Amino acid sequence: DQQVKQNSPSLSVQEGRISILNCDYTNSMFDYFLWYKKYPAEGPTFLISISSIKDKNEDGRFTVFLNKSAKHLSLHIVPSQPGDSAVYFCAAKNFGNEKLTFGTGTRLTIIP
Amino acid sequence: GAGVSQTPSNKVTEKGKYVELRCDPISGHTALYWYRQSLGQGPEFLIYFQGTGAADDSGLPNDRFFAVRPEGSVSTLKIQRTERGDSAVYLCASSLGSSGGTDTQYFGPGTRLTVL
Repeated sequence: DQQVKQNSPSLSVQEGRISILNCDYTNSMFDYFLWYKKYPAEGPTFLISISSIKDKNEDGRFTVFLNKSAKHLSLHIVPSQPGDSAVYFCAAKNFGNEKLTFGTGTRLTIIP
Repeated sequence: GAGVSQTPSNKVTEKGKYVELRCDPISGHTALYWYRQSLGQGPEFLIYFQGTGAADDSGLPNDRFFAVRPEGSVSTLKIQRTERGDSAVYLCASSLGSSGGTDTQYFGPGTRLTVL
């Protein structure tokens, strides 16, 4: 069963606009969430994370929002830049367990 | 500083053969992880080491898969009697191994394994 879901396989956004990537999870034991970015032929690179005790975390152009009741999180990138074009993975874990459970990824394309 | 490195970057083998994939973690990182990424999927957890011991091997798909980390640094993932379904990118990650549950995992570039 897919415990972390990214229902949009791809997303295209105009440069300078906001990119919103979504992620849903089913396991209520998850209490720590991360976003990774992946370029072709490279490993995933950590972007931003959020603990379940918060509903928002911001780092520069990147903001992650968590809605625990809906088991939903989203990553906002503003303004979007061409270098943001990559595959974005949502991942989740619980504090007692080090393994990450990943979604299937969303390919973001920023159009110049 | 140097990141996580993995060798080889590509490995092509024949069905039934044995393969070894190597991971060099970031210096000073006590925790090491192996994941497998199949086409169109996200990385899937295989095994996690804290120091020399496997703290969680619940993701290993069957007994053909085995991993070691004898000195608490470099790790080798070993696959016996390879099958075509083993074809995937094998990712290694490392982290500081600190407690608290918010340890960031840093990934290597992966080894692309193709079983013919």
